Amino acid sequence: DGGITQSPKYLFRKEGQNVTLSCEQNLNHDAMYWYRQDPGQGLRLIYYSQIVNDFQKGDIAEGYSVSREKKESFPLTVTSAQKNPTAFYLCASSIEGTGDQPQHFGDGTRLSIL
Amino acid sequence: KQEVTQIPAALSVPEGENLVLNCSFTDSAIYNLQWFRQDPGKGLTSLLLIQSSQREQTSGRLNASLDKSSGRSTLYIAASQPGDSATYLCAVASGGYNKLIFGAGTRLAVHP
Repeated sequence: DGGITQSPKYLFRKEGQNVTLSCEQNLNHDAMYWYRQDPGQGLRLIYYSQIVNDFQKGDIAEGYSVSREKKESFPLTVTSAQKNPTAFYLCASSIEGTGDQPQHFGDGTRLSIL
Repeated sequence: KQEVTQIPAALSVPEGENLVLNCSFTDSAIYNLQWFRQDPGKGLTSLLLIQSSQREQTSGRLNASLDKSSGRSTLYIAASQPGDSATYLCAVASGGYNKLIFGAGTRLAVHP
């Protein structure tokens, strides 16, 4: 089945540690996105990538980093500089990065602080 | 700056009722509006997407309308069922790329 796979489902971070969240898609989509969701709030855009080897900051990029070396993969690293990382992280993709394409979402990774 | 507001924040109805969820946005320059469903601890499932040139979209018991000039969209759910219980999120695509701005959602509970 085509879709977006996020792993792990749950992740715990220690103080001063960087952690990486995985996002893989087999939909052959060019564009991929990372969002953060806090309780009772909507999603906020962290980073997005419209094509391989290119990515741009979203609204809340501080403390996060990404790479897009392969079309199907868009990993997100939560660095120690992100002081409040506890949240639900969602990855999405769309056929293109233009404004008329629907976005499809993975099942998310819940990150907590130890 | 685009802002999206959803009303009500929570809704509890008996099974079988028809209901309306509301979404408003501050900037009418949008590419499209999407309605999503989110079950607890899960990702988002796309329900309906309305392009900026369209007025409404329908899928089964769901109907979504869009009035760009007034910055409003409604999601109509007919004959609600307990399986409809979830959080419903509205998002608009605006800006130079496919950036989605989300509302905080409406948490719906349909009881038997």
